[in-house]
Amino acid sequence: QKEVEQNSGPLSVPEGAIASLNCTYSDRGSQSFFWYRQYSGKSPELIMSIYSNGDKEDGRFTAQLNKASQYVSLLIRDSQPSDSATYLCAVKRGAGSYQLTFGKGTKLSVIP
Amino acid sequence: DGGITQSPKYLFRKEGQNVTLSCEQNLNHDAMYWYRQDPGQGLRLIYYSQIVNDFQKGDIAEGYSVSREKKESFPLTVTSAQKNPTAFYLCASSIGYFNSYVEAFFGQGTRLTVV
Repeated sequence: QKEVEQNSGPLSVPEGAIASLNCTYSDRGSQSFFWYRQYSGKSPELIMSIYSNGDKEDGRFTAQLNKASQYVSLLIRDSQPSDSATYLCAVKRGAGSYQLTFGKGTKLSVIP
Repeated sequence: DGGITQSPKYLFRKEGQNVTLSCEQNLNHDAMYWYRQDPGQGLRLIYYSQIVNDFQKGDIAEGYSVSREKKESFPLTVTSAQKNPTAFYLCASSIGYFNSYVEAFFGQGTRLTVV
């Protein structure tokens, strides 16, 4: 069973702080990793993708990947109340695979 | 505007009825997917399609059916055999056929309720 695990939260951080969201996966053949943000009642929105070990930065978001530890994380700097949402980690196997496996999501609450 | 359009946004089904959820994309994506989301749960794959006239069962296909007659369209039918159909249904698409580095984008979802 290929699994993606996330802490369900809620994770509460004060406005302006760094929010750290974590995800572990069980399938060592996984090659593509994605973070989606989902506001309550809305559909998921892709915010970051990462494919190789290390860090990838995009504005206030940084994705970190460690394939040896089977671990991917998302850092949100200068957290804003508008960042309050559920963050879904998604993992995909290599070429020829179309299936994304999702974690259950971490609910983030940014306190003004 | 390129995107994925799901309709209707809200759908009510009576016991024993079949209902069809629409999903259309104008992104020229090859692959399309249907996911189901229950409260507090992650997304679970129902069906996916890599090319026209071909589709594969996902993890929870029982009680559902799909077709892919056109590249742009991937409708999902929730049949009366699906015992607990109340959920948020999400359609997604992605480019990429042999490339693993593909990103999937979602429509706005259809919320189905059994009455």
